[in-house]
Amino acid sequence: SQQGEEDPQALSIQEGENATMNCSYKTSINNLQWYRQNSGRGLVHLILIRSNEREKHSGRLRVTLDTSKKSSSLLITASRAADTASYFCATDEVVGSSGTYKYIFGTGTRLKVLA
Amino acid sequence: DAGITQSPRHKVTETGTPVTLRCHQTENHRYMYWYRQDPGHGLRLIHYSYGVKDTDKGEVSDGYSVSRSKTEDFLLTLESATSSQTSVYFCAIKQGGPNQPQHFGDGTRLSIL
Repeated sequence: SQQGEEDPQALSIQEGENATMNCSYKTSINNLQWYRQNSGRGLVHLILIRSNEREKHSGRLRVTLDTSKKSSSLLITASRAADTASYFCATDEVVGSSGTYKYIFGTGTRLKVLA
Repeated sequence: DAGITQSPRHKVTETGTPVTLRCHQTENHRYMYWYRQDPGHGLRLIHYSYGVKDTDKGEVSDGYSVSRSKTEDFLLTLESATSSQTSVYFCAIKQGGPNQPQHFGDGTRLSIL
């Protein structure tokens, strides 16, 4: 099965710097999503980019998608200590006769923003 | 936050005992999912549901069963818990359609001794 794989596994930066995380996947997709997980909490959806889109912005987040390379990147600009979290990409897959969408998650990037 | 409640939030039990985790939603979303999260593995899908009484297996379903008798509740059962099932379990919900995000509960931390 396909799997999103994030790179790097861990990233430590100073407050105010930009953070870039990358995700690679294996098969064709309808969309790719990025999630954030704070310690001890569930995942929170950040942004969804469709397969026919190349770039998307949401506040300080910028996501790019290159379907020819099967990769995506998440850029967080002007990072803050509150951005410290793990970040996951997820790709979709239609399964079974029910047409259910399920999502394959990568192992995540642990971002630490130092104040 | 999306209306998702997982219970219990923490549980410690012994090998061989049955365990049931509950996911309750107030969003009336069609799809519900159970994942487990382990270090080095990210989130792995255990079971999912695409409607009342409609469920199917994910990639790590062995040792787990689910039931969905009402739209709002999705139960995950470990019939006879093993130490390898020690994990953090997350429930997620999703609206119908291809480009909808999942919304997650805050997880259940399960320790099997």
